[in-house]
Amino acid sequence: LAKTTQPISMDSYEGQEVNITCSHNNIATNDYITWYQQFPSQGPRFIIQGYKTKVTNEVASLFIPADRKSSTLSLPRVSLSDTAVYYCLVGELKGYSTLTFGKGTMLLVSP
Amino acid sequence: EAGVAQSPRYKIIEKRQSVAFWCNPISGHATLYWYQQILGQGPKLLIQFQNNGVVDDSQLPKDRFSAERLKGVDSTLKIQPAKLEDSAVYLCASSLEAQINSPLHFGNGTRLTVT
Repeated sequence: LAKTTQPISMDSYEGQEVNITCSHNNIATNDYITWYQQFPSQGPRFIIQGYKTKVTNEVASLFIPADRKSSTLSLPRVSLSDTAVYYCLVGELKGYSTLTFGKGTMLLVSP
Repeated sequence: EAGVAQSPRYKIIEKRQSVAFWCNPISGHATLYWYQQILGQGPKLLIQFQNNGVVDDSQLPKDRFSAERLKGVDSTLKIQPAKLEDSAVYLCASSLEAQINSPLHFGNGTRLTVT
């Protein structure tokens, strides 16, 4: 079970690009990297998932270096509504029972 | 599509009382999960169902917690008797399949306060 480490909190301003890095030094060959976002009083919401290189969707980009020991979630031009907790999860493609949510990164976006 | 529905939204009980939470997953989702989220922490998996069978309940405190998913659709999570440390948000999630590339869809949870 790959353990993840991410910053407890980050601050940013509206319009800036935010990069949240997650370390997963003991990631296994079959592990995927998944990011979730959680707003107060709501359940987490899937943002993006990747295995290697770069993945981009309408919400974010995920950068994964060749050694896969870390990953970076990139949020372009954040707004106040991006204030949330962001979780990085690593798990094998066989089921969610192996996924563990850590404490996540609390991103605060200010005007 | 309609999201995951949970009720009640809030519940306050005294310790040693019992409580039940209800979850209606997204239509067609075979896999259902119950998570416990204590303030300031990430969600912790309590139990995972595949259709109406239990896949993983290794972190469910079985002396006081129970869950069922009748007919492979709705699910209920029960706590009896409740303890102070059970105060948390209980989140239900569902996914199309029990695979990591099948995203979890969470409900908004039930906030339980045990006094």
